[in-house]
Amino acid sequence: AQSVAQPEDQVNVAEGNPLTVKCTYSVSGNPYLFWYVQYPNRGLQFLLKYITGDNLVKGSYGFEAEFNKSQTSFHLKKPSALVSDSALYFCAVRDDSGYSTLTFGKGTMLLVSP
Amino acid sequence: DAGITQSPRHKVTETGTPVTLRCHQTENHRYMYWYRQDPGHGLRLIHYSYGVKDTDKGEVSDGYSVSRSKTEDFLLTLESATSSQTSVYFCAIKAGNTEAFFGQGTRLTVV
Repeated sequence: AQSVAQPEDQVNVAEGNPLTVKCTYSVSGNPYLFWYVQYPNRGLQFLLKYITGDNLVKGSYGFEAEFNKSQTSFHLKKPSALVSDSALYFCAVRDDSGYSTLTFGKGTMLLVSP
Repeated sequence: DAGITQSPRHKVTETGTPVTLRCHQTENHRYMYWYRQDPGHGLRLIHYSYGVKDTDKGEVSDGYSVSRSKTEDFLLTLESATSSQTSVYFCAIKAGNTEAFFGQGTRLTVV
C-alpha cells in the first residue's frame, strides 16, 4: 500500500523568505506525485506534479518541488514567500493500478507573516 | 473548477436519516471520485467510479454507497447518517494522464 507523510502540521515563515513544505512517500512502483493547495472554505487547487523527467518540477504561483528518489521525498519550495501563500498544502501520491486514486498526506498549514 | 458542481454545498441532517450528495461534471470524464476531509487525516478516498455503473470502494467506504447511472453524475449516499460522517466531502474528476480536479466541497453536519 502506498502512503504519504507530511511531518509538519504547520510551517511558519516570514514574507520574502524561502519556504519549504516537506513530503515523503512510500510506493511499490513508480511514484506519481502531486501538490495541492487549499484556501479557506475552498476546494483543492492543483499546484504541480511529478510523473517522470526532471527532478525539479515547476508549478503554479512560483512554487516548485524537488523529487528525490533515494530519499523518497517530494518537498515543495518557493524562493520568496508571500502572505497570500498562507493556506493548507497537501502532498499526494497516485496509485498505479489504472484507476488513479490519490493517497493524501495529512496536510501542512503554511503561515506567512508580514 | 473544471466543470464540477457539488450539491448541496452545506447540509445539516439528523442522525439516522439518509443523505445523498451529488457531483455533476460537464466534461464527460470517465473517472470520478469521492473523498472526505477531516482534520488530522487529510483527504481519504470513499468510493470511485471508472465508468457508468462501474464503481469500487476506497479506504473509508463503510456506511457509504455510490451510484453512477450517467457519465456526468456521481452520487454519494449515506444510508443512515452518523455523527462520525460529519465532514467535508469533495468530488474529483480526472481526464487521461492528468491531475485530478476537485469540486468546491460539501460541508455535512450530522447532529
